[in-house]
Amino acid sequence: EPEVTQTPSHQVTQMGQEVILRCVPISNHLYFYWYRQILGQKVEFLVSFYNNEISEKSEIFDDQFSVERPDGSNFTLKIRSTKLEDSAMYFCASSRGTGSGNTIYFGEGSWLTVV
Amino acid sequence: KQEVTQIPAALSVPEGENLVLNCSFTDSAIYNLQWFRQDPGKGLTSLLLIQSSQREQTSGRLNASLDKSSGRSTLYIAASQPGDSATYLCAVRAGTGNQFYFGTGTSLTVIP
Repeated sequence: EPEVTQTPSHQVTQMGQEVILRCVPISNHLYFYWYRQILGQKVEFLVSFYNNEISEKSEIFDDQFSVERPDGSNFTLKIRSTKLEDSAMYFCASSRGTGSGNTIYFGEGSWLTVV
Repeated sequence: KQEVTQIPAALSVPEGENLVLNCSFTDSAIYNLQWFRQDPGKGLTSLLLIQSSQREQTSGRLNASLDKSSGRSTLYIAASQPGDSATYLCAVRAGTGNQFYFGTGTSLTVIP
């Protein structure tokens, strides 16, 4: 069964460093998403991406975050200058469309620890 | 803003029992609702999707129902097995936009 794949599975970084999290969405999907889950808290929406541009973003997704689809298969989340509070599990997701019958599929996540 | 609540936060049952997990949401103008399973430290596995026009969906031992007007969904698991032990999350997609609003989950333990 097709799946969303994410790398790295775990990354430890120093505060202030830049981090890039990578995702390969399901191949025939057109909509891509990033969510995050701080330990013990709810899964939260960050951003959705379609046709090479951001279609929606939350208030969490401020200027330190950016997303990119650098080629036909990868979808990346960049955090420019990491803070301690960015420590979380980051999930990439994709869906074929946005109709009410479209299932959203999540990857295994990337654990980011900022020290 | 849509708020999603799941009760109970944790549930422990003996193997073979049927059980119900509850999800409630504050804004009934939803587009769809999806139930997920999350194993510790792992990603989210989609279980069932219910569109706003539907009342229920079934997959194997799982049955999810939706009552939009009362802002509730339930996930029924029949004949529970130890392998069902995980956290179950419900997520609601609002009538506008693409984002899902997640509940805090129900942690299920099925005791052999």
